[in-house]
Amino acid sequence: EVQLLESGGGLAQPGGFLRLSCVASGFTFSSYALSWVRQAPGKGLEWVATISDSGSTTYFADSVKGRFIVSRDNSQNTVYLQMNNVGAQDTARYYCAKDYFPGDPPVGRAFEAWGQGTLVTVSS
Amino acid sequence: DIQMTQSPPSLSASVGDRVTITCRASHNIGTYLNWYQQRPGKAPNLLIYAASRLLSGVPSRFSGSGSGTEFTLTISSLQPDDFATYYCQESYISPLFTFGPGTKVDMK
Repeated sequence: EVQLLESGGGLAQPGGFLRLSCVASGFTFSSYALSWVRQAPGKGLEWVATISDSGSTTYFADSVKGRFIVSRDNSQNTVYLQMNNVGAQDTARYYCAKDYFPGDPPVGRAFEAWGQGTLVTVSS
Repeated sequence: DIQMTQSPPSLSASVGDRVTITCRASHNIGTYLNWYQQRPGKAPNLLIYAASRLLSGVPSRFSGSGSGTEFTLTISSLQPDDFATYYCQESYISPLFTFGPGTKVDMK
């Protein structure tokens, strides 16, 4: 059974930083891209970032580009989201999500499995 | 960028009803369209990928159709577990995923 467990959320000050982690199990971690998707309170889903299976390629939403970094450790089955210079607009539950298809396909991706999320609140 | 819209934003229905949700894309995305269900307080679940392909384990009362710019999710006979919010998501310009705003299905 695929499992994704996020941690690292909490309260951050505006302009501060947080590092989220997602530990995965139940599949061949190094064969799949992983993504972060967030959901602000009472709002819809927003894709944040994706890292390819090898970790060699990363992609970011415009709203976080230049502030967030995504990385992975395939030896530890863990993906990270480093959030820098956070603002109130970053307040959300952050979900880790696994691609349905292996590799780094150019089109047709889907998020097959999701963690339960970790809540990030940015406030002074 | 591709913009996604959904209609209606919300609907009220009863157990046993047939429910249809529409998702529209601002550009032709072929069949690169996924549907997710999110129950209150829970993470989303993938239901359908590539517009019409049912994920293994998803009940057959769910179906998807469409191509190009217009897509539909149909629940043939609404069950108590189906009261949730449904999101479409384009996967044409991977991985710059865009989700629709969601359609909330609640009990009449």
